[in-house]
Formats: sequence, structure tokens, C-alpha cells
Amino acid sequence: SQTIHQWPATLVQPVGSPLSLECTVEGTSNPNLYWYRQAAGRGLQLLFYSVGIGQISSEVPQNLSASRPQDRQFILSSKKLLLSDSGFYLCAWSRDRVLYNEQFFGPGTRLTVL
Amino acid sequence: AQSVSQHNHHVILSEAASLELGCNYSYGGTVNLFWYVQYPGQHLQLLLKYFSGDPLVKGIKGFEAEFIKSKFSFNLRKPSVQWSDTAEYFCAVNTGNQFYFGTGTSLTVIP
Repeated sequence: SQTIHQWPATLVQPVGSPLSLECTVEGTSNPNLYWYRQAAGRGLQLLFYSVGIGQISSEVPQNLSASRPQDRQFILSSKKLLLSDSGFYLCAWSRDRVLYNEQFFGPGTRLTVL
Repeated sequence: AQSVSQHNHHVILSEAASLELGCNYSYGGTVNLFWYVQYPGQHLQLLLKYFSGDPLVKGIKGFEAEFIKSKFSFNLRKPSVQWSDTAEYFCAVNTGNQFYFGTGTSLTVIP
């Protein structure tokens, strides 16, 4: 069976510090990978998605970047965090090129920028 | 751009009341439709999904949803809610590799 991991679960960082959140998927190959930010009253905002190694699409301009160094690894980064980067970050995966597709979510990372 | 609208932002019901949460989307092509639920302190998890066939789909915990193509809607229903249904509910639409989510509806069920 497939599983998705995210770490850390919670993180408190000062403004201006770097960020690295990691997401890994097990039990599948060539997944599509997604990073979302969940903010109260705003639902899930898609930040990045990737259909393969080194292939990253950004949905909104922001202070964050994403990388996919391996097939089942997806990293969310920032060089300098802003207060507005605080939030709950979710990683998700889906199968590639299937007619009936659905997403599976990780447990999330709660980021607080002070 | 595709969008998903959930018109009820916060719903408060008493136990045993009936529930209907609205979801409308804007996309003219073939879509897959989902309702996800997030219980307090827990992961986002799939409640039910529609891919094709019978437009009335049944999910876990007594929930169901009806796909009405002509109205671009996928409303979630439950005939009798329980206190344990208190959670946030998200409607989502899939087109190809893209997934689009609504802003969510927070449901509070009062015992």
C-alpha cells in the first residue's frame, strides 16, 4: 500500500530564516506530487505540483520554491521566511495519467514564522 | 481558470438535523469530483468520490453526494448528522493532473 510522509510535523522559525519541508511517498512510482497551503477560511491553495523529477509548476508567485530531486521526494523551500508564510502545509500525491484520479494527503506541517 | 465554490462557509446544526453542503464548479469538460473531510487535528481524508456512472454516490459514515451535470454541482448530504461529524469539508474537482479545491465549509454539530 502507498503511504505519504511529511516532516517535520511542526516548525517554528524566525523571520528571515531558511525553510525546508520534506515529503516522501512510498509504494508507488512516478507519482504526481503537490504542495498546498491551508489557511483558515481560504481552503487549500495549490502552491506547486510536479509530474516528474525536476519538473515543477508554480501556481502562485510567492516566497517559496519547490524541488523534486528524486521520483518520490518533494521539497518545499524558502531562502528567507516572511511572517505571511505561516500556515499549514500539505503534501499530496496522485497517480499519473490515469482516467480516474484522486489525491492522497500527508499529515501536514504546521509552520509558524515569528 | 477552473474554480470550485462552496457557498456555506460555516454551518451549525443540532444532532439529527439533515445536512446539505453546496458545491459548484466551473469546468465544461469531463471532471472527477470529490468531497474530503478534515476532523479536528486529523489528516485530510476522502469522504466520497464520483468518477462516472450513477450520479448519486455514497461515501463513508452515511454521507452521499449527487452530481448534477447541468448545474455543475456536487452537493454533499447526510440525513441525520452526529456530533462526530463536526469537521471541515472540502469539495474538489479533478481535471487531468490538476485538482481544484473549494474554500471549505466548517460544520459544527451541537449535541
